Amino acid sequence: QQQVKQSPQSLIVQKGGISIINCAYENTAFDYFPWYQQFPGKGPALLIAIRPDVSEKKEGRFTISFNKSAKQFSLHIMDSQPGDSATYFCAASNNNYGQNFVFGPGTRLSVLP
Amino acid sequence: DSGVTQTPKHLITATGQRVTLRCSPRSGDLSVYWYQQSLDQGLQFLIQYYNGEERAKGNILERFSAQQFPDLHSELNLSSLELGDSALYFCASSISGGLSTDTQYFGPGTRLTVL
Repeated sequence: QQQVKQSPQSLIVQKGGISIINCAYENTAFDYFPWYQQFPGKGPALLIAIRPDVSEKKEGRFTISFNKSAKQFSLHIMDSQPGDSATYFCAASNNNYGQNFVFGPGTRLSVLP
Repeated sequence: DSGVTQTPKHLITATGQRVTLRCSPRSGDLSVYWYQQSLDQGLQFLIQYYNGEERAKGNILERFSAQQFPDLHSELNLSSLELGDSALYFCASSISGGLSTDTQYFGPGTRLTVL
């Protein structure tokens, strides 16, 4: 119930391509779905987040698509750049749990120049 | 730079020992969260403190404890250390403790190695 599944585990994309990372959850009480980006040797940093009352949110080259009925959400990185190479974590949280996030296992993205 | 500071950056110790990790939240943030990141378990929520009081508990072992002081800095105490406790320990902070939409800002982490 508390688990968030994430795929793929790793992803290699050419510069300018689209990177897509998918996540799925079981607990319908989750009401906030952030994506975090982590570079080696650094802590995770919030990239973009969505609430379940919208189906899509876009910020620059980053878009979250949310499918409430399927309990799935995904991150799309358009025009992927080598600087986007990092590990991406999806997460889910709910006020009832005091804002503690449940994180997916992460996707290591490599964007080739 | 997230504004969250953690010390020490690296810590090497032996099994059975006890260590203390320290975290200073961003100025104005009242909540502190502790996470453990390991290769096999991923990023796991341990515990949250809000304005000095425990708010939520995750997968924190009984050998681990934390507290948040009046100046809002927090310490995570790990005792009777085992090899499996080797991991990156992150602290995060947010402005409040009740809204899931508040952004959590992560510190740079403390890498703990238990030999």
